[in-house]
Amino acid sequence: KAGVTQTPRYLIKTRGQQVTLSCSPISGHRSVSWYQQTPGQGLQFLFEYFSETQRNKGNFPGRFSGRQFSNSRSEMNVSTLELGDSALYLCASNDPGLAGETQYFGPGTRLLVL
Amino acid sequence: DAKTTQPPSMDCAEGRAANLPCNHSTISGNEYVYWYRQIHSQGPQYIIHGLKNNETNEMASLIITEDRKSSTLILPHATLRDTAVYYCIVRVFPTGTASKLTFGTGTRLQVTL
Repeated sequence: KAGVTQTPRYLIKTRGQQVTLSCSPISGHRSVSWYQQTPGQGLQFLFEYFSETQRNKGNFPGRFSGRQFSNSRSEMNVSTLELGDSALYLCASNDPGLAGETQYFGPGTRLLVL
Repeated sequence: DAKTTQPPSMDCAEGRAANLPCNHSTISGNEYVYWYRQIHSQGPQYIIHGLKNNETNEMASLIITEDRKSSTLILPHATLRDTAVYYCIVRVFPTGTASKLTFGTGTRLQVTL
């Protein structure tokens, strides 16, 4: 099976702009989670989608939003970018499994806000 | 989720077994032990997980003590490509929703020639 793919891999934006990141989960996985990772804050949960519905949400401002399509592909959007949004954005494809759920991560999108 | 304690760093010679310990003394009966690793600037990679029995897959072995208060991840023949930060996570197997992952500071494993 192909792994989790994320596009683009690298992105440079300026403050005030908006950005859309894309994630394609592993075939057959219906749940996708998004995380932000920074050196200072570590890995922080953004939100999780299952069957096109947001099931879980972390403590991020409303500038961060997401959606999931019927084919399980997911996008996240960040509006009005701030310098502090510079981070590695990770998408995880969630396999419920029979013996413990497993999240498989994509390579990430590295966003730099100038 | 229960808290975990890992040594901040370890060294291992290439070809030797790398044994990475994790303490999770407050683990609950329904919490699984998961291991991930992250090579610099890449996405975290799932390695293995278990509840109470020892587990083995193509990447590693997971040894969980009988009282489940600690575990050890074993990379049987470490290579330079195994140099990474290894995270031990304890979490409940969620019912109906994917629980969020939280990584601690992990163990930085350096494999050397």
